[in-house]
Amino acid sequence: TQLLEQSPQFLSIQEGENLTVYCNSSSVFSSLQWYRQEPGEGPVLLVTVVTGGEVKKLKRLTFQFGDARKDSSLHITAAQPGDTGLYLCAGPFTSGTYKYIFGTGTRLKVLA
Amino acid sequence: GAVVSQHPSRVICKSGTSVKIECRSLDFQATTMFWYRQFPKQSLMLMATSNEGSKATYEQGVEKDKFLINHASLTLSTLTVTSAHPEDSSFYICSAIAGVLPYNEQFFGPGTRLTVL
Repeated sequence: TQLLEQSPQFLSIQEGENLTVYCNSSSVFSSLQWYRQEPGEGPVLLVTVVTGGEVKKLKRLTFQFGDARKDSSLHITAAQPGDTGLYLCAGPFTSGTYKYIFGTGTRLKVLA
Repeated sequence: GAVVSQHPSRVICKSGTSVKIECRSLDFQATTMFWYRQFPKQSLMLMATSNEGSKATYEQGVEKDKFLINHASLTLSTLTVTSAHPEDSSFYICSAIAGVLPYNEQFFGPGTRLTVL
């Protein structure tokens, strides 16, 4: 069972367009994180959202945590080729020990 | 942010051999390290959680005798893939945290690409 589903799986857009990536779950999370990963590298943390309804902005990226803390979204305004990468949401999960589980991933390609 | 290194970054080995991957936290003491596996164009899958001085906790479906994890110090964890086979070829990534989840950020290493011939 995949606890964190992301959509879309793949997205190819032109430079300057806007896009939204979704991270959904049937479970409640105390927080959710968003990462970007480039080929051959480890993921890099973009943001952590903690409070239901929270909105955080990071330059052209806007992150929102759902009111019920079951979902999150990442909106990119005026996408640039440098935004290309694999976007991953992740959340803490406890099953005996604390760990993070990752979403299914969204692969974004921004064309110049 | 804190720095986590992995060594080697790439390794090619013959089927049947064992390969050791090191994960080091360079500027902080890591109470817990995590080992992930990533197949091409897929997300990260947690393999095991490693705590310093104790046995690793493996995720369901991960063979502990095949993927040996040792966390001998607060700055070093190792993953040994024993008797490697081509299906073990993958991208292996470690992460480390100082403190406890979910209140502390996990920092990721750059990954190790394993190719088994």
